[in-house]
Amino acid sequence: NAGVTQTPKFQVLKTGQSMTLQCAQDMNHNSMYWYRQDPGMGLRLIYYSASEGTTDKGEVPNGYNVSRLNKREFSLRLESAAPSQTSVYFCASRTGSNEKLFFGSGTQLSVL
Amino acid sequence: RKEVEQDPGPFNVPEGATVAFNCTYSNSASQSFFWYRQDCRKEPKLLMSVYSSGNEDGRFTAQLNRASQYISLLIRDSKLSDSATYLCAVPSTDSWGKLQFGAGTQVVVTP
Repeated sequence: NAGVTQTPKFQVLKTGQSMTLQCAQDMNHNSMYWYRQDPGMGLRLIYYSASEGTTDKGEVPNGYNVSRLNKREFSLRLESAAPSQTSVYFCASRTGSNEKLFFGSGTQLSVL
Repeated sequence: RKEVEQDPGPFNVPEGATVAFNCTYSNSASQSFFWYRQDCRKEPKLLMSVYSSGNEDGRFTAQLNRASQYISLLIRDSKLSDSATYLCAVPSTDSWGKLQFGAGTQVVVTP
């Protein structure tokens, strides 16, 4: 029972570098989410995908792109990393609206 | 006004005591509410779902007050292991697909 799997767990980037955070869930969930968490800020929604084939912006989408590759996978891409994107990133999924979220273990990203 | 607001705390609670804290929300049409527990540097884990007036699970009780638009979480007989940050989550006003989180309430249970 893997649940929601995120890779990598840790990453250090230099300003301007690009990278993709991977997320996969094996619970047959329709909806998937990317959040970032900064000290004192709680979880802020970056992008979400309510169902396969759709993606929508969340609260803080600037500087990010996403791809819902299939029902299982939802990736987050930083095209040109900035120090302001230093954060902990969580992927999450759920069956649908009104249902609870299941989270991955997070990615600690540092941009120097 | 933020969609979801919580008192950041910390709430310092003696072991065995009761602690309660609230979460206020903006979306008056919300039908589902969630309390998550988050340990330092770990992912949030669901503590309790609330779909009607409230829910109880062992030492934990969640109450929903629709008139005043807040949910509360009460922890009875606090254990050292209850020390964590408690996040509430509510559907966003602009999209049912979005789940908005509060910044969390830190609880520290002391011996």
